[in-house]
Amino acid sequence: GESVGLHLPTLSVQEGDNSIINCAYSNSASDYFIWYKQESGKGPQFIIDIRSNMDKRQGQRVTVLLNKTVKHLSLQIAATQPGDSAVYFCAGLGGSARQLTFGSGTQLTVLP
Amino acid sequence: NAGVTQTPKFRVLKTGQSMTLLCAQDMNHEYMYWYRQDPGMGLRLIHYSVGEGTTAKGEVPDGYNVSRLKKQNFLLGLESAAPSQTSVYFCASSYLPTTEAFFGQGTRLTVV
Repeated sequence: GESVGLHLPTLSVQEGDNSIINCAYSNSASDYFIWYKQESGKGPQFIIDIRSNMDKRQGQRVTVLLNKTVKHLSLQIAATQPGDSAVYFCAGLGGSARQLTFGSGTQLTVLP
Repeated sequence: NAGVTQTPKFRVLKTGQSMTLLCAQDMNHEYMYWYRQDPGMGLRLIHYSVGEGTTAKGEVPDGYNVSRLKKQNFLLGLESAAPSQTSVYFCASSYLPTTEAFFGQGTRLTVV
């Protein structure tokens, strides 16, 4: 099956700096990944997704990079703002499993 | 703009009691999911449905049952609640497995 995890449970960055949140997965057949943001007391919200035929995808202030060779993806947030403070999850889908498998999350704290 | 709505938002049960969590979506999505979220463990899939009248087991199905009698509703039942089922439960829906899943606000369940 799919195993999706995150490298660091917590990350602190200064306001205005760029944030990089990393995620690793185990199933080389994984073909779709999503990053979610979860604020305290709320459900996860979609940030950005990427399919395995892409290496990079950009959104508004966010970029996801996918390295299939080492089975690693990252979420980059430019000019991090206080409103970016949240838990970030990566989720993967692939192989015979057609349901998302979530990592354990990284708590991002933006320092003033 | 309702999206995915979960009821109730909070509930306290005694061990052995039963209850049903209701999830409703107004986006005409085929796929619906129930997850539980425990500290430090991300989201784990309990059951899911690929369409009206269908259900399937996820990663942690024991102690739960589900029904999808109507396309817009997905019910999660606990027949005999146990303290190990204390968690935050999230419902989600998506058009396809490889498209964005929209989450509800969650139900915080405590079993004493």
